[in-house]
Amino acid sequence: GAGVSQTPSNKVTEKGKYVELRCDPISGHTALYWYRQSLGQGPEFLIYFQGTGAADDSGLPNDRFFAVRPEGSVSTLKIQRTERGDSAVYLCASSSIRDSEQYFGPGTRLTVT
Amino acid sequence: AQSVTQLDSQVPVFEEAPVELRCNYSSSVSVYLFWYVQYPNQGLQLLLKYLSGSTLVKGINGFEAEFNKSQTSFHLRKPSVHISDTAEYFCAVSGSRSGNQFYFGTGTSLTVIP
Repeated sequence: GAGVSQTPSNKVTEKGKYVELRCDPISGHTALYWYRQSLGQGPEFLIYFQGTGAADDSGLPNDRFFAVRPEGSVSTLKIQRTERGDSAVYLCASSSIRDSEQYFGPGTRLTVT
Repeated sequence: AQSVTQLDSQVPVFEEAPVELRCNYSSSVSVYLFWYVQYPNQGLQLLLKYLSGSTLVKGINGFEAEFNKSQTSFHLRKPSVHISDTAEYFCAVSGSRSGNQFYFGTGTSLTVIP
């Protein structure tokens, strides 16, 4: 079956602009996670959804970052007033309620110029 | 709080030689441990996981790992590497079976030399 998909695969934006990154989880997976992977680092947790609600948003670095999952499936990560330090690969993962494994998408590479 | 340390940022090894990628974690509670592999320009793929039971875990592509609670380690091993094993390897820890974030190490870049 289809895995986790993320769009766009690459996004280049200017400093100060607003961006939206989309994640389509595996069908039926209730849990959805966003991570950020900076160059030379491991993925860093941002936010976790169980269904439509954000169960844990403790990893969001500041209030410029926001994520939604209005129907409990697709999620959008939104970044306002982008800064050069936001440049990274943003990874999405999903899992089922009974599964310990998180299935990762290919990521969106965000470059802020 | 949980954290993961991968001491070796880069590991070069000759083809058909054995390899060990080290992972140590810190946690005050029961943990679940994972190794993921990331090939160039691809997403993270699960190699193996430890949830409970036998401390020796076997994964895909001939990899295995051993959970050592006293040393808080979960080292990844392969007895004979192949060129296709060249990739970035990440160790991760979670505090529960599901519904919890993963804490990742900084990764180990494995390069297999022909």
